[in-house]
This record gives sequence, C-alpha cells and structure tokens, in this order.
Amino acid sequence: QSVLTQPPSASGTPGQRVTISCSGSSSNIGSNYVYWYQQLPGTAPKLLIYRNNQRPSGVPDRFSGSKSGTSASLAISGLRSEDEADYYCAAWDDSLSGLWVFGGGTKLTVL
Amino acid sequence: QVQLQQWGAGLLKPSETLSLTCAVYGGSLSGYYWSWIRQSPGQGLEWIGEINHSGSTNYNPSLKTRVTISVDTSKNQFSLKLSSVSAADTAVYYCAREDIVVTVAGYIHDAFDIWGQGTMVTVSS
Repeated sequence: QSVLTQPPSASGTPGQRVTISCSGSSSNIGSNYVYWYQQLPGTAPKLLIYRNNQRPSGVPDRFSGSKSGTSASLAISGLRSEDEADYYCAAWDDSLSGLWVFGGGTKLTVL
Repeated sequence: QVQLQQWGAGLLKPSETLSLTCAVYGGSLSGYYWSWIRQSPGQGLEWIGEINHSGSTNYNPSLKTRVTISVDTSKNQFSLKLSSVSAADTAVYYCAREDIVVTVAGYIHDAFDIWGQGTMVTVSS
C-alpha cells in the first residue's frame, strides 16, 4: 500500500483536460512540497512538476500542478497521444527520521 | 549535462546480497543527495535511501536493517547494498540525483531531477 493515494487509472480524448489527484497526510503533503513524475513505458521516471507547481525547463505548459491542504493535483490540458504514461506523485514525509513517499501511480490512457 | 550510469548483478539467489553502483558523469557529487529507488514489476515506486558527498545517509525504515548506501568521491560513484534478499526484492532499481534547497532552517529535500537507466534485479532460486 502506497502512503500517497492516487487513482489507478485515468483517461481522456485528445484535446481534453484531465486531472490526477494525490492524497496524503499532514506529515507529507500537508507540510512539504509535492512532486510529479511521468514514466513512459520501459523508461525511467522523468520529473514533470516540482515544488507543487513548478515546471522544469522543457516541460510543456499543458502540465500544471496544484496543492491544497493534504491533497495535490496534476492537470494536463490539450491532451496528446504522447501523454499516455504512468504518473506518480511524491513528497517528503517528516515521520520517523524522514523519508520520501510516493503514490501508487496513475495510468493515463489517451482514447 | 549530468548523466547517471548504473550497473550490478541482475540475478541473485535468496539470502544473497544485492550490489549496485551508480556513476555520476558530467557533474560533482557535492551539493546534492543521491538516492536509490526501486519499482517492483507492475508496481509503484519505493524510495530505498540516500547519501550525500560527505557520507551522510537516510534510509527507508522498512528496509533500514538490510540497506547500506556508500559513496566513493574519488570515483564519483555511490553504491547500494541490500542484504538477505528474497523474491520480494525483485524490482527495477534506479539511482537518482536529488536536488537540495538550502534554507535558513536547514535544507529541503527537493526533486529527483536526473535518473539512471535502471537495473532489473531478479531474485530466484
């Protein structure tokens, strides 16, 4: 069981806007930044959003992140076929001596 | 451009020790933490632990008793050892660079911005 909770799947048609949620607790999302990673089949994860809503250079502005309380969301607008991938949220957790925790991942299908 | 290249044994028997190394090319170990993350087949990501250039470590409590992460600054490498492996340790193992943001209160663990290519490790008798 993952510490952060994501829906296992999401879908949309090209051009649509989809959102993926990530739910945590006061020790992780509630008190630290949220990060989003995109994993294409057979490849290593790639940083998509950092510090809740910042995009690394090269990531299209179709991708956006937000956080409220102990939950966060990733939004993808103008959905494209190449967005079909697994998406993971992550946050530092202050419990015990501290550790990174991840969501279980959401498989996005572009119909 | 910084790149991570990792290697290690891909097939182990139960009770053996997993050993992986990650080399950092095009950059320094200083100023970052360096993590190991694994992904079991068809599953999500699990953080194993991290180390900085000085050798300061943090481990996932669920694996702490079996994990050792070390750094070799002369070779610009860091390594993972996981003892007493079982089938449950079968996974793709990734090394990753973890950015650190220094604040007045200390530092913030920031994004995993660069990843290795991954190494599939299978534990089977």
